[in-house]
Amino acid sequence: AQSVAQPEDQVNVAEGNPLTVKCTYSVSGNPYLFWYVQYPNRGLQFLLKYITGDNLVKGSYGFEAEFNKSQTSFHLKKPSALVSDSALYFCAVRDLSGGYNKLIFGAGTRLAVHP
Amino acid sequence: DAGITQSPRYKITETGRQVTLMCHQTWSHSYMFWYRQDLGHGLRLIYYSAAADITDKGEVPDGYVVSRSKTENFPLTLESATRSQTSVYFCASSEGLGNTDTQYFGPGTRLTVL
Repeated sequence: AQSVAQPEDQVNVAEGNPLTVKCTYSVSGNPYLFWYVQYPNRGLQFLLKYITGDNLVKGSYGFEAEFNKSQTSFHLKKPSALVSDSALYFCAVRDLSGGYNKLIFGAGTRLAVHP
Repeated sequence: DAGITQSPRYKITETGRQVTLMCHQTWSHSYMFWYRQDLGHGLRLIYYSAAADITDKGEVPDGYVVSRSKTENFPLTLESATRSQTSVYFCASSEGLGNTDTQYFGPGTRLTVL
């Protein structure tokens, strides 16, 4: 079965420092991986996805993610964190079991960026 | 304005009552989904639909019923609400398989069952 794991419940970063939010995956076949962000009292917003090709994927709001097949990881990164990046981040993997297209989400990582 | 909307945004009900959460999308997306979000569990899929009149169970379907008579609407009904169904519910839609499978989420419905 497809699954993703986010090993950190919370990540704390000082504003201006680089940030990394970790995600590892377990899939059969080629992985389709996603990152979503959820701001307080809002729905999830799509950040970026990896389908195939370049291992470094660029997304919205200056975020990028690095796909590493040997480590089965898809970590979210940003070179310089902003206080406004504070939110809940979800990693997800596409699941085609049953013949239909679904996403399996991780438990989420709360990012806190301190001034 | 185009997009995906949910109603109501907030709902308080009592144990045993029937509750219906509405979801409407204006993109004519084939796929629609219902998730619940609970602390420590992330998002769990309740039901999904690949097209009008095609629905299937997700990870946590018990106690819920869905229908999809029109492409743009995907209501979720709690037939007899229980306290364990207190949660935030999100609806999402996507175009379908392949590179168009990004899901777009509604703003959520916060449901409290007393």
